Amino acid sequence: QKEVEQDPGPLSVPEGAIVSLNCTYSNSAFQYFMWYRQYSRKGPELLMYTYSSGNKEDGRFTAQVDKSSKYISLFIRDSQPSDSATYLCAMSVDNYGQNFVFGPGTRLSVLP
Amino acid sequence: EAQVTQNPRYLITVTGKKLTVTCSQNMNHEYMSWYRQDPGLGLRQIYYSMNVEVTDKGDVPEGYKVSRKEKRNFPLILESPSPNQTSLYFCASGAGANVLTFGAGSRLTVL
Repeated sequence: QKEVEQDPGPLSVPEGAIVSLNCTYSNSAFQYFMWYRQYSRKGPELLMYTYSSGNKEDGRFTAQVDKSSKYISLFIRDSQPSDSATYLCAMSVDNYGQNFVFGPGTRLSVLP
Repeated sequence: EAQVTQNPRYLITVTGKKLTVTCSQNMNHEYMSWYRQDPGLGLRQIYYSMNVEVTDKGDVPEGYKVSRKEKRNFPLILESPSPNQTSLYFCASGAGANVLTFGAGSRLTVL
């Protein structure tokens, strides 16, 4: 079993749809949870950063962490064609670089 | 503009010919790291550096070296490249290890 699992997609949705992207993990020591977005031929960019459990909202994006289920989600409301990208979850035990791991990424396509 | 700059962006080389991929950041970040990205395997960490004093191996350090002589630069060195090091490489920096700014990537092909 991989440490972090993520459905690779591709996930295709119509413009305006609510998108749900998910990751599951096995290491219960993870405390920090991130979502990065990567456009084709570009480096990843940080979208959301959360510590421990709970929800965090930023504009059209909501990150949700359920540590009891070892499950994190990213919701995108009113999806736009410009949201078409690969979404990578990432998590770590601390803020010092140890046990930092990325999920394999989900490719999202938002169709106009 | 705050950024992480990698060079070269594209490189084709031959087995055994030493090469260096440079990485420089202008954000005064303490933390820097290198990743490789391969289809089906995602982003894997090669090396990271908490600060100029501390550098450590990531998940896939074999065949790579790094150097952190000054805060802004963190070059990746392939002493004797092999075809299995053909990949897309990313350098990143951050005030901490989790909030990272990535470079644009360096696509390396080893023949």
